[in-house]
Amino acid sequence: GEDVEQSLFLSVREGDSSVINCTYTDSSSTYLYWYKQEPGAGLQLLTYIFSNMDMKQDQRLTVLLNKKDKHLSLRIADTQTGDSAIYFCAETMDSNYQLIWGAGTKLIIKP
Amino acid sequence: GAVVSQHPSWVICKSGTSVKIECRSLDFQATTMFWYRQFPKQSLMLMATSNEGSKATYEQGVEKDKFLINHASLTLSTLTVTSAHPEDSSFYICSARNTGTGNQPQHFGDGTRLSIL
Repeated sequence: GEDVEQSLFLSVREGDSSVINCTYTDSSSTYLYWYKQEPGAGLQLLTYIFSNMDMKQDQRLTVLLNKKDKHLSLRIADTQTGDSAIYFCAETMDSNYQLIWGAGTKLIIKP
Repeated sequence: GAVVSQHPSWVICKSGTSVKIECRSLDFQATTMFWYRQFPKQSLMLMATSNEGSKATYEQGVEKDKFLINHASLTLSTLTVTSAHPEDSSFYICSARNTGTGNQPQHFGDGTRLSIL
């Protein structure tokens, strides 16, 4: 079945770039998403990319998609303390646009 | 744009009580809304897909008589946890998709923390 995998933790220093990685198994994915969840809150859509794109940039966020390797990454430039959160990778494939979720990567910012 | 409001944000009640959670799309119409449950330090588990004007589609293992879903308008879906028990305590999150054409990502509410005593 479909599977989305992420590492559970990432620790970076404030001001450095953070790169959160995600791998998925189903090559028929149509859209891939990054959501951010702060403690006790819902999910905030950060960005998404269509499967025929390689890269998408939005201010401090850069999404890279390697469809051949089924690898998605989210780069956050100049990481700030406010970026501390759990980042979920998700994909959709069918017309219902149901999301297949990764387990989430907790981003820890060191001063 | 694309704001989803979920209410209440936190509720504590006694075992046996029924609890209703509302999910509203504030600035768009949503034919489809989704209800999730999230356990501590885990990802989201899809409970059901709520379709405006028709019955909800429940995921395997989710009791439809326990978790009643109503999606009576294009901007409102409700989840009622009937006769709640401590094992129903969890974080419940809804999301909504814009009815428009093309890819419309899911936008999420802020979640409801349900604690059953």
